[in-house]
Amino acid sequence: EAGVAQSPRYKIIEKRQSVAFWCNPISGHATLYWYQQILGQGPKLLIQFQNNGVVDDSQLPKDRFSAERLKGVDSTLKIQPAKLEDSAVYLCASCLQWGGDTEAFFGQGTRLTVV
Amino acid sequence: TQLLEQSPQFLSIQEGENLTVYCNSSSVFSSLQWYRQEPGEGPVLLVTVVTGGEVKKLKRLTFQFGDARKDSSLHITAAQPGDTGLYLCAGDAGGTSYGKLTFGQGTILTVHP
Repeated sequence: EAGVAQSPRYKIIEKRQSVAFWCNPISGHATLYWYQQILGQGPKLLIQFQNNGVVDDSQLPKDRFSAERLKGVDSTLKIQPAKLEDSAVYLCASCLQWGGDTEAFFGQGTRLTVV
Repeated sequence: TQLLEQSPQFLSIQEGENLTVYCNSSSVFSSLQWYRQEPGEGPVLLVTVVTGGEVKKLKRLTFQFGDARKDSSLHITAAQPGDTGLYLCAGDAGGTSYGKLTFGQGTILTVHP
């Protein structure tokens, strides 16, 4: 079974530039998450999708971050414009259908460096 | 926002020693998960606990969920260098936040040969 695919693996941009990350979850997984993980810290939830609907985006900085999952499958996360403090690893995760013992599968992440 | 506090933040031990990592919150969670993350990789699930007082064992790892479902611990017996990594607890608050995973800040474990 293929895992969660993310691209690119690494991205270096200058502040005020735009960047987009792509995630393809495991086939059939209804729930998709985007997390931001600053070095040495735990992941922070940015947005949670259930199929193509947003379940929770309360911690998404909506003035600069946006995310979509138009067909309920793959998803993109965009930052525009980027700030230095956005430097982090952006993790995508998916799970079949949340319920008690459901496992969330994570991709390898995209490491973003803003200079 | 429900917070999960992990302690200690850093742990450096010798091979063969035992250790315990704690995950505490003032909030009740419907379930709690433990993940292990290696550099350059995403977190990988170790275990899910859902019942207050539940104890699960995975080889040398023992996980416990507090009776009140507010805290959890991970105990490793006879640690090995391969156990080195970032250990994360994550809780699901349930209710209207069903499926929303909140992570602790992690415990960086280093096991020296």
